[in-house]
Amino acid sequence: NAGVTQTPKFQVLKTGQSMTLQCAQDMNHNSMYWYRQDPGMGLRLIYYSASEGTTDKGEVPNGYNVSRLNKREFSLRLESAAPSQTSVYFCATRNDRGRQETQYFGPGTRLLVL
Amino acid sequence: AQSVTQPDIHITVSEGASLELRCNYSYGATPYLFWYVQSPGQGLQLLLKYFSGDTLVQGIKGFEAEFKRSQSSFNLRKPSVHWSDAAEYFCAVNGAGSYQLTFGKGTKLSVIP
Repeated sequence: NAGVTQTPKFQVLKTGQSMTLQCAQDMNHNSMYWYRQDPGMGLRLIYYSASEGTTDKGEVPNGYNVSRLNKREFSLRLESAAPSQTSVYFCATRNDRGRQETQYFGPGTRLLVL
Repeated sequence: AQSVTQPDIHITVSEGASLELRCNYSYGATPYLFWYVQSPGQGLQLLLKYFSGDTLVQGIKGFEAEFKRSQSSFNLRKPSVHWSDAAEYFCAVNGAGSYQLTFGKGTKLSVIP
């Protein structure tokens, strides 16, 4: 039972390159989330998916796309990376049944864009 | 719009001393409140949460938090800090049916041996 896993753990990109961050969960949770964390900014929501087949923008969606491939997997894509996207990216899931509003986080992907 | 303010960016305490981390929130309905901890290079771990009922909630690692509606606060406390508590702490808020969890900017805790 791995919980929430993210790949890769660390990535270096050049400006303009593309990449996809992967997130998978074995918690059978309905909703999934992508956040970015920058020093002094806390965590900011990029996109979320309330259920398989649906996605919605969060606070900072520009420059990103997402895919909810199935219930387990939620990927984040940078089509043309920019230095401003250097950050730590966290995936999270939430069990929306009853009053289980808690989000559970993966270990993060550290991205450096040169 | 919902928001969370953590007024203290960095706090330093001596090992064995008591700790209180402040959190103020703004939310238009009944809030759900959370405290998460993040050790260096790690993801976020849930310390405790408040949904309703008893306003004093107990969490893991000896932490507790008190919800005060009149002050829009949800402060985190620990009676005796251990060196292993050094980390960054985040307060967060959302509500029933809301998908967007809003975080404060965090408070970094340093512990002097």
